[in-house]
Amino acid sequence: GDSVTQMEGPVTLSEEAFLTINCTYTATGYPSLFWYVQYPGEGLQLLLKATKADDKGSNKGFEATYRKETTSFHLEKGSVQVSDSAVYFCALSHSGYSTLTFGKGTMLLVSP
Amino acid sequence: DAGVTQSPTHLIKTRGQQVTLRCSPKSGHDTVSWYQQALGQGPQFIFQYYEEEERQRGNFPDRFSGHQFPNYSSELNVNALLLGDSALYLCASSLYGGAGPNEQYFGPGTRLTVT
Repeated sequence: GDSVTQMEGPVTLSEEAFLTINCTYTATGYPSLFWYVQYPGEGLQLLLKATKADDKGSNKGFEATYRKETTSFHLEKGSVQVSDSAVYFCALSHSGYSTLTFGKGTMLLVSP
Repeated sequence: DAGVTQSPTHLIKTRGQQVTLRCSPKSGHDTVSWYQQALGQGPQFIFQYYEEEERQRGNFPDRFSGHQFPNYSSELNVNALLLGDSALYLCASSLYGGAGPNEQYFGPGTRLTVT
């Protein structure tokens, strides 16, 4: 079955540092890939997505590139802010369906 | 435009009891999915409803059941509660079908504690 593996957290960074959160997946076919963010006490918000190989999703300074050869979708941001502190989830789904398979999440803590 | 809403926000139940959680989808959406998020884990898919029928189901026992109403809102019922059912229950709405992945919009969740 499908699965998503994320690097364990917490990831602790200082403001303006570079961020990478690793995500790899196992799935049949060609899934779409997503990053969701969960702020404390809130539900999940879609951060970015990519629907085919070599696509780059981007939003709010975050980027991730769909790498089929390495089955990866790593999240990056050039300069993090304190307000980026949250839990980040990598997920996949298959075309025609909207059910998502999530990783366990990676907590990001950014200090001033 | 109202997003996905869920009620109640928090709930405390005793082992063996039954619970009902409610969800109203985002305006214009016709599909509701439910997820269970245990502490420190990613959400796990429970089931999905469209046209008042369960269309897909994850690896959850029959104690978990649901319903969708004509106005697209949905309920999640859990019978014979276990301590392990303590979790954040998330509802997500979307539009059914289409060639590509259908973006899901999540509600804030219901925090269920079983004692």
